Amino acid sequence: EIVLTQSPDFQSVTPKEKVTITCRASQSIDTSLHWYQQKPGQSPKLLIKYASQSFSGVPSRFSGSGSGTDFTLTINGLEAEDVATYYCHQSRNLPFTFGPGTKVDIK
Amino acid sequence: EAQLVESGGGVVQPGRSLRLSCEASGFTFDDYAMHWVRQAPGKGLEWVSGISWNSAGVEYADSVKGRFTISRDNARGSLFLQMNGLRPEDTALYYCAKDTAFSSYASFDVWGQGTMVAVS
Repeated sequence: EIVLTQSPDFQSVTPKEKVTITCRASQSIDTSLHWYQQKPGQSPKLLIKYASQSFSGVPSRFSGSGSGTDFTLTINGLEAEDVATYYCHQSRNLPFTFGPGTKVDIK
Repeated sequence: EAQLVESGGGVVQPGRSLRLSCEASGFTFDDYAMHWVRQAPGKGLEWVSGISWNSAGVEYADSVKGRFTISRDNARGSLFLQMNGLRPEDTALYYCAKDTAFSSYASFDVWGQGTMVAVS
């Protein structure tokens, strides 16, 4: 099973600050890495697919990069509505796995 | 607008069974693979099971293999999860999710609101 680790576990930032979340895979997954946002009390929403492809309707401040084992989700200028937990997910190998999540809050 | 609505959750004793359903609308259901993903209270996301567009491919997490069965009815636009031999560790909110692919598996672009299963 491919294990995904995320860092940090929690990040508290001021509005408009840049947020960087990393996801590391226990073995290479090419670019089969996707990012989701889950706001409190809501279902997850797809942000980025295949490491760097923005999903339709997602604000341009969200971007992704990486390949192989190391990936990054960047929020360029955090807004209050971005308070959420962010998860990475790999679809390269079964069983599909999710990272443990990174909780982002407003300072 | 694509939408998924789960149902069938509830409180059940250990060892008993439950059948979850997911009704799809707003997209061509049989064009896409589908999945079940669960989230235990206060915890992260766990993929449970996936099925290809034509049911030829079905996959399970090790934690549910042999106990859960995924199926779909393309004529009705419905996805199912038959859960047998339920354990307390199966307690979670179960989400139905649409894949962006049909024969392979990729990202999940539409999620339902979830249905809660409590095993106690």
